[in-house]
Amino acid sequence: AQSVAQPEDQVNVAEGNPLTVKCTYSVSGNPYLFWYVQYPNRGLQFLLKYITGDNLVKGSYGFEAEFNKSQTSFHLKKPSALVSDSALYFCAVRDRMDSSYKLIFGSGTRLLVRP
Amino acid sequence: DADVTQTPRNRITKTGKRIMLECSQTKGHDRMYWYRQDPGLGLQLIYYSFDVKDINKGEISDGYSVSRQAQAKFSLSLESAIPNQTALYFCATSPSGVWDTQYFGPGTRLTVL
Repeated sequence: AQSVAQPEDQVNVAEGNPLTVKCTYSVSGNPYLFWYVQYPNRGLQFLLKYITGDNLVKGSYGFEAEFNKSQTSFHLKKPSALVSDSALYFCAVRDRMDSSYKLIFGSGTRLLVRP
Repeated sequence: DADVTQTPRNRITKTGKRIMLECSQTKGHDRMYWYRQDPGLGLQLIYYSFDVKDINKGEISDGYSVSRQAQAKFSLSLESAIPNQTALYFCATSPSGVWDTQYFGPGTRLTVL
């Protein structure tokens, strides 16, 4: 079965510093990988996805993610963190579901950006 | 996201009660989903519907049922609530043929005493 792991429950970073939220995956076949963000009292929002092609994927709000096949990782990054980036971040992977697909979510990483 | 609304936003109930959570969307999407979120576990798929006549069980459907009253409405019922169904419940939608970019409602926090 496909799975993703987010090894850090929380990441703390100062505003203006680069941030990285880690995700590793385990899949059979080619991975389809995603990042979603959940702001307080809100539902999840799609940030970006990797299907094929360039290993560096750019997404919403200045975020990007780097796909690394040899390390089976898909880390989320941003060059300069904002306090407003503080939220819960979920990595996800595609899995087969009947005649379609579903998302398998990681356990989430809370990002706290301090002023 | 105001395009996907959930009611109620918070609910406290007792063991054995029947509870209905409602989801409405104005995005015109055919596909709708119900997830539950438990601390430290991410989201798990309960039920999904690709159109009004197509409803399918997800990973954790036991103890739940759903109704797709219209394209825009998808309700989740707990027939006889139990404490381990205490969780945050999310409804999501996606366009026909699209499964990966989903649009989530704000969630319903359900507590079963």
